[in-house]
Amino acid sequence: GQQLNQSPQSMFIQEGEDVSMNCTSSSIFNTWLWYKQDPGEGPVLLIALYKAGELTSNGRLTAQFGITRKDSFLNISASIPSDVGIYFCAGQRNFGNEKLTFGTGTRLTIIP
Amino acid sequence: DADVTQTPRNRITKTGKRIMLECSQTKGHDRMYWYRQDPGLGLRLIYYSFDVKDINKGEISDGYSVSRQAQAKFSLSLESAIPNQTALYFCATSDPGPYVGEQFFGPGTRLTVL
Repeated sequence: GQQLNQSPQSMFIQEGEDVSMNCTSSSIFNTWLWYKQDPGEGPVLLIALYKAGELTSNGRLTAQFGITRKDSFLNISASIPSDVGIYFCAGQRNFGNEKLTFGTGTRLTIIP
Repeated sequence: DADVTQTPRNRITKTGKRIMLECSQTKGHDRMYWYRQDPGLGLRLIYYSFDVKDINKGEISDGYSVSRQAQAKFSLSLESAIPNQTALYFCATSDPGPYVGEQFFGPGTRLTVL
């Protein structure tokens, strides 16, 4: 089945650094979402994007819905220890059809 | 109390055994989902249900079955477990509304099949 390709697969950064990750697809999605999974927990929604070209922020997080509708980007500024976890993108093809296709995940580790 | 709960949280079983994973929610949502998570593969949809009378296969339903006992309960069964079903399993819920796409996840069940 279709999966979204996320990169990088893992990141090792120092506290205070900015982080960028992206998600690409061979087909169009009409909604893009970014989730974060803390260790031992289920994923939690961070940002939802509903319009091509849309740029949305949630605190230090900023996400963009690609113009082609085949990609999305997530940036984290000035990383802190609690940013550690796995970040997943997810796409939804049709409004009202809430099946989500998830990306393969980006594991973020912060080096002390 | 958590809105979406899963039991058990951890389970070790042997090949060929029947296993049931349970999910309960207090969010009042009609829509429920079962996913499995494997390293490097993200979350893949096993089954989903948009209301009590509706059951749909996801992308990897082979070897699994589900039961929607009530709006609040959605169970996943492995009739005859095999080692490649070792994974982290998540239940999720959602409600149609302005925030299309938002799903709420349980804490997960870690299943090991020996």
